[in-house]
Amino acid sequence: DVKVTQSSRYLVKRTGEKVFLECVQDMDHENMFWYRQDPGLGLRLIYFSYDVKMKEKGDIPEGYSVSREKKERFSLILESASTNQTSMYLCASTSSESGANVLTFGAGSRLTVL
Amino acid sequence: AQSVTQPDIHITVSEGASLELRCNYSYGATPYLFWYVQSPGQGLQLLLKYFSGDTLVQGIKGFEAEFKRSQSSFNLRKPSVHWSDAAEYFCAVGARTYKYIFGTGTRLKVLA
Repeated sequence: DVKVTQSSRYLVKRTGEKVFLECVQDMDHENMFWYRQDPGLGLRLIYFSYDVKMKEKGDIPEGYSVSREKKERFSLILESASTNQTSMYLCASTSSESGANVLTFGAGSRLTVL
Repeated sequence: AQSVTQPDIHITVSEGASLELRCNYSYGATPYLFWYVQSPGQGLQLLLKYFSGDTLVQGIKGFEAEFKRSQSSFNLRKPSVHWSDAAEYFCAVGARTYKYIFGTGTRLKVLA
């Protein structure tokens, strides 16, 4: 019954490495999101996408980029990882069918940058 | 400015005791309101939501929340806490946009 899948649960990378975090949803949702979660800061929106190849910056896009080539897949890219990007990353999706909708989250990807 | 405040960072209750987690929001329009729960190492799961209508909403796992417009609050309650309720709880607001605002979370500890 998995609906939002984040392929990597735990990653350890070196400073300067390029990092890809993948997210796939099987609910045919138009909207997909990447959040960053840090203790005491809650969830902060990095990027979201409302359609294939469409994206908009969230609250903290610096140091990140995204790719949405297919409706079901939304990738978060760290071009050159830094230690301050050590965090939990959460992917979510929602439909645009009617009004505000419930976010469905993946299990998260915990990234450590050394 | 739009914001969500969860004033309690940590709450500890004994198993079987009642629970109330506080959530206050600041939002220009009538918000849609959500409570999510996050177990350790997991993503967020929806507990309940309020869009309109009856201001007392029921959710999963025996949780309920009450929307009070005059107090800009959406507090989460449970009459009798179980040890499995230990987790982190997030309040969130949203509207007909893609913008969801989350509180900073309340971590619940349950004593046996």
